[in-house]
Amino acid sequence: DTTVKQNPRYKLARVGKPVNLICSQTMNHDTMYWYQKKPNQAPKLLLFYYDKILNREADTFEKFQSSRPNNSFCSLYIGSAGLEYSAMYLCASSRDRRANYAEQFFGPGTRLTVL
Amino acid sequence: AQSVTQPDARVTVSEGASLQLRCKYSSSVTPYLFWYVQYPRQGLQLLLKYYSGDPVVQGVNGFEAEFSKSNSSFHLRKASVHWSDSAVYFCAVSIGGGNYKPTFGKGTSLVVHP
Repeated sequence: DTTVKQNPRYKLARVGKPVNLICSQTMNHDTMYWYQKKPNQAPKLLLFYYDKILNREADTFEKFQSSRPNNSFCSLYIGSAGLEYSAMYLCASSRDRRANYAEQFFGPGTRLTVL
Repeated sequence: AQSVTQPDARVTVSEGASLQLRCKYSSSVTPYLFWYVQYPRQGLQLLLKYYSGDPVVQGVNGFEAEFSKSNSSFHLRKASVHWSDSAVYFCAVSIGGGNYKPTFGKGTSLVVHP
């Protein structure tokens, strides 16, 4: 099974409330990524886990948190949602982050709307 | 740092016509290059990838891409498109050195008229 699953597919949140998005894969990939995708913009890397090590991008460091309780699952956590967080959130995994040629496998995304 | 430009936000072609989707990249070193496709309500899927060797690389479903170092380009081509090729196509670039963080372009939406 080469699929990456994301839950929920659609999420409605209120301004100031927390949001937790879930991603899972059963390919035993050691690296999992979270991207934010807004209309007419490129997917923007937010953070990635290499095994148990979390790497967050500098410009979004304080806005997003993540956890990876085991190899298969990875969450994206927003402590206090703002209107600017409305976007599609894409989860991806790859076999080995150190393999520069590694293919990424993407989930279908979670569309977050903040009101 | 690397960057990717896909100059065409939307391309419309008729079924059976040839196709070229453009991708320009900027990188201080020879990058790893990728094309991904996203069909409606699905995740991005790899079409093809390139790092070295023959500058024309073959992918799935009849797609190919040509790397040009002199033009800093990695254009995607298909000889004859089908209506099912309608999707969003993303070009991505990554540099080596153990820092595998692909940078994506904004994507090109391909509409194929039957």
